[in-house]
Amino acid sequence: EDQVTQSPEALRLQEGESSSLNCSYTVSGLRGLFWYRQDPGKGPEFLFTLYSAGEEKEKERLKATLTKKESFLHITAPKPEDSATYLCAVQAVPQGGSEKLVFGKGTKLTVNP
Amino acid sequence: NAGVTQTPKFRILKIGQSMTLQCTQDMNHNYMYWYRQDPGMGLKLIYYSVGAGITDKGEVPNGYNVSRSTTEDFPLRLELAAPSQTSVYFCASRRTGQGYEQYFGPGTRLTVT
Repeated sequence: EDQVTQSPEALRLQEGESSSLNCSYTVSGLRGLFWYRQDPGKGPEFLFTLYSAGEEKEKERLKATLTKKESFLHITAPKPEDSATYLCAVQAVPQGGSEKLVFGKGTKLTVNP
Repeated sequence: NAGVTQTPKFRILKIGQSMTLQCTQDMNHNYMYWYRQDPGMGLKLIYYSVGAGITDKGEVPNGYNVSRSTTEDFPLRLELAAPSQTSVYFCASRRTGQGYEQYFGPGTRLTVT
């Protein structure tokens, strides 16, 4: 069964303190791995798509990387406005014609000033 | 572009009542989705559609119905609401093809009492 596990569940950082969020996945054929940011009371906001092991994407203070079993979201010198829940999702090769995007439960990031 | 819009933002239903959650997108996306998000859980797929007139069940379809008469609209119908349907509902859309990201609406917070 396709699974996505994110760790840690919650992370508190001081402003400027860099860290990484982890997304481990088990999927029968990866079509894409997606990172989203979700602010309280809002819908997920797309950040990155990664397709194959070794791929990296960057946007401002965020950098996403992908291996065959996991993805990392690296946050460099975070600011309080980076506080949000970060969601990881994988799209697997459709089985029996079904469309499937499997989400992790998310990591809640709090950055203190 | 407004992207994906959802109405209403909030709704309280009594047990046994019915309602329709509205979703519209203006990006000419063929693929549309309905998810529910419960506290501490990942997003769960309810129904999805790959184009007008075509819908299919996701992971948690019981108690819900959908229709897709146009490319833009994908309403979700709740019949005989139950407390277990208390959740936040998100609509999403994406372009055709594998590995493309989904864009989410702002969500509808539904309480069934």
